[in-house]
Amino acid sequence: NAGVTQTPKFRVLKTGQSMTLLCAQDMNHEYMYWYRQDPGMGLRLIHYSVGEGTTAKGEVPDGYNVSRLKKQNFLLGLESAAPSQTSVYFCASRGGQPIMNTEAFFGQGTRLTVV
Amino acid sequence: AQKVTQAQTEISVVEKEDVTLDCVYETRDTTYYLFWYKQPPSGELVFLIRRNSFDEQNEISGRYSWNFQKSTSSFNFTITASQVVDSAVYFCALSGVNTGGFKTIFGAGTRLFVKA
Repeated sequence: NAGVTQTPKFRVLKTGQSMTLLCAQDMNHEYMYWYRQDPGMGLRLIHYSVGEGTTAKGEVPDGYNVSRLKKQNFLLGLESAAPSQTSVYFCASRGGQPIMNTEAFFGQGTRLTVV
Repeated sequence: AQKVTQAQTEISVVEKEDVTLDCVYETRDTTYYLFWYKQPPSGELVFLIRRNSFDEQNEISGRYSWNFQKSTSSFNFTITASQVVDSAVYFCALSGVNTGGFKTIFGAGTRLFVKA
């Protein structure tokens, strides 16, 4: 009963390096989201997807790209990491009808440090 | 615009005290949902409750209770007889028809310390 799985759980990057965070869900959810969590700021939405092949920008999309090639996977990419991207990243998925009457299920988080 | 405000950054109580976490929201939607999540020190996000905008009945679950008042746009969370295991960050969140992608907007969180 995996739910939402994020890979990796921890990562240290040097400034300018690139990386991809993988989110996988096994609940057949249509909606998927990437958030970042910073101290005192709660969770802020980076990008989201309302279905396979779709993506859209959230509150803080700059410096990130995403792809949803398969329904179960939502990838978050950092092309050129910056220290300001040091954060804890959470992936979430949501499904069911009506969609608003469902809570988001979260992965366990990825702690990323950019030095 | 959608917004969730949790004015209390940190609260510290002694075990067995009651504590209320405040949440005030803003939305132009007439249909929306409110949520509370708990984030214990281990870091995962745990869903606690959802409430839709048409249901103002208060809810109680064990030591937890929630008070939803549309007139004041508030959705407060009370823990009765707090325990050390209640120590966590608590997030209030909002999801509305017009948020696009039914995305959930979070407040900044309230960190609760329960001392033995």
